[in-house]
Amino acid sequence: GAGVSQSPSNKVTEKGKDVELRCDPISGHTALYWYRQSLGQGLEFLIYFQGNSAPDKSGLPSDRFSAERTGGSVSTLTIQRTQQEDSAVYLCASSPARRDSYNEQFFGPGTRLTVL
Amino acid sequence: SQQGEEDPQALSIQEGENATMNCSYKTSINNLQWYRQNSGRGLVHLILIRSNEREKHSGRLRVTLDTSKKSSSLLITASRAADTASYFCATDAKGGGNKLTFGTGTQLKVEL
Repeated sequence: GAGVSQSPSNKVTEKGKDVELRCDPISGHTALYWYRQSLGQGLEFLIYFQGNSAPDKSGLPSDRFSAERTGGSVSTLTIQRTQQEDSAVYLCASSPARRDSYNEQFFGPGTRLTVL
Repeated sequence: SQQGEEDPQALSIQEGENATMNCSYKTSINNLQWYRQNSGRGLVHLILIRSNEREKHSGRLRVTLDTSKKSSSLLITASRAADTASYFCATDAKGGGNKLTFGTGTQLKVEL
């Protein structure tokens, strides 16, 4: 079946502009995660959606970052007034999020964001 | 911030040799997972080991977990050039709400 898809695959923007990154999770997965991978910082958690619960936003680096998940499926990560330090690969993952200790996450190919 | 650290940061071996990567973490966990990443893009899940397990095998992969030392190791046996990639450990912390905390990664290069 189809995996997690993300769009665009690459995005180049100018400092100060807003960007939207899209994630289509695997159908039926109730959990959706956004991570960021940048040089020198490794992979860091940004935000987590689980069903209809309030999202865990504890990883968002500033209030310029926000995310939505509509209808329990597609998610959009928005970065307002982009800065050069926002340049990174933004990875989305989804998971069935079973209530046992298994939590395998399936990752999309990522969006490479470059802020000039 | 990164919770886990992996060593070595980079490893270069010959095809057919075994590769061992280590991961340390800081908090109590539900499980620990290993992922592989090619060319800085999407991650592929390799293996998951629960906190009450000590060793797990999957094909040429062997993972150990020592919760008393908060450490794990990934062994790839009989390596192939196609195993060249970055390998990350990730922990699902107790009370962490299912988000994963990744280690810093090991870059493995398998040469012919």
